[in-house]
Amino acid sequence: DTGVSQDPRHKITKRGQNVTFRCDPISEHNRLYWYRQTLGQGPEFLTYFQNEAQLEKSRLLSDRFSAERPKGSFSTLEIQRTEQGDSAMYLCASSLAYVSYEQYFGPGTRLTVT
Amino acid sequence: AQTVTQSQPEMSVQEAETVTLSCTYDTSESDYYLFWYKQPPSRQMILVIRQEAYKQQNATENRFSVNFQKAAKSFSLKISDSQLGDAAMYFCAYSSYNNNDMRFGAGTRLTVKP
Repeated sequence: DTGVSQDPRHKITKRGQNVTFRCDPISEHNRLYWYRQTLGQGPEFLTYFQNEAQLEKSRLLSDRFSAERPKGSFSTLEIQRTEQGDSAMYLCASSLAYVSYEQYFGPGTRLTVT
Repeated sequence: AQTVTQSQPEMSVQEAETVTLSCTYDTSESDYYLFWYKQPPSRQMILVIRQEAYKQQNATENRFSVNFQKAAKSFSLKISDSQLGDAAMYFCAYSSYNNNDMRFGAGTRLTVKP
């Protein structure tokens, strides 16, 4: 197993543009999580999926953010009309619900909004 | 809401010595999980050690051990025989029993001096 992967690793965009990130979880994991991490802080929970269902969203996830996991495998996180405050590391994690409570993290996508 | 507090923004230790990182948390739940994650510079987060709240015995993984005090809501990490490769940000994290999300502390930056 290759672990959790994220693409791209780095993204620079201009304010107002839309960006989309992809996460591929560990293949047998049915839960997928998105977190945001700003410099010098711990990750903050954004949302999670169990299979294809999005079960919880943080208040941090404004209307400009949308996440999908259409077939219960990979997930995408889209940010519309990016703002400078969106600059952060976006982390994806996966786990196998009801079997193990450990979350395995990907390398993250670093977003810079100029 | 559950919160996690790491009161030591930075710690340093001499190689081969022992260091303890502190973590406290706040919760009204009786069943939950606690974790310590390590995030080396520019590298992905990896799990160091985990503790189930219902277990009284402190978890141990090689040179890493925890001191879990449930009544005091304290969860410290002890690193014995510190190595240069232990230098990283360390995050304490809390997860509810349903593992719907994970709450992280702000992190402690550990420096290991040769």
